[in-house]
Amino acid sequence: GESVGLHLPTLSVQEGDNSIINCAYSNSASDYFIWYKQESGKGPQFIIDIRSNMDKRQGQRVTVLLNKTVKHLSLQIAATQPGDSAVYFCAENMGGFKTIFGAGTRLFVKA
Amino acid sequence: DVKVTQSSRYLVKRTGEKVFLECVQDMDHENMFWYRQDPGLGLRLIYFSYDVKMKEKGDIPEGYSVSREKKERFSLILESASTNQTSMYLCASSHNAGAYEQYFGPGTRLTVT
Repeated sequence: GESVGLHLPTLSVQEGDNSIINCAYSNSASDYFIWYKQESGKGPQFIIDIRSNMDKRQGQRVTVLLNKTVKHLSLQIAATQPGDSAVYFCAENMGGFKTIFGAGTRLFVKA
Repeated sequence: DVKVTQSSRYLVKRTGEKVFLECVQDMDHENMFWYRQDPGLGLRLIYFSYDVKMKEKGDIPEGYSVSREKKERFSLILESASTNQTSMYLCASSHNAGAYEQYFGPGTRLTVT
């Protein structure tokens, strides 16, 4: 059979509901955490970031939560819309040039 | 509006061919990156450049080289393409002060047969 690693985790939500996308990061020394959105046929697009000295940061319809104790990051999207359908990547950076990307979560929004 | 462009959206090459992928950014960014994206593996860094003529290896540089002769242009070269280099290639750029916020091009889907 196919390797589990080839399948992206998938989240399916109803239009108008809130979405929560979770991510576990690997490096305790990471200083910045970033969420990117990748729509079909496009490159990833920066959504929001959070620095390691913060627990929460809000943007327009999005909130990122950081729990350093368990090395967990989440992206909350309020009132999810069809245009939010995409693959979402979390990423971590230790302040230098190298950013480590997660495998991504595919979000489907049902009308 | 910031823009990163890549020379081709789709490319089909034969095993052993030399392949050039070009990336241009119009934001006067110091840093430029090449990633490959494979299903379920996220983005993996091949090479990056923090200045003209400067380059650093990323996580998977084997089989690739890069060139940055001008600030706005970063080229990825596959010296002798192999089937395991079939992938989506993404170029990105960032300003020096905020290297973690990267702007990506649309990608080049390369198929090596």
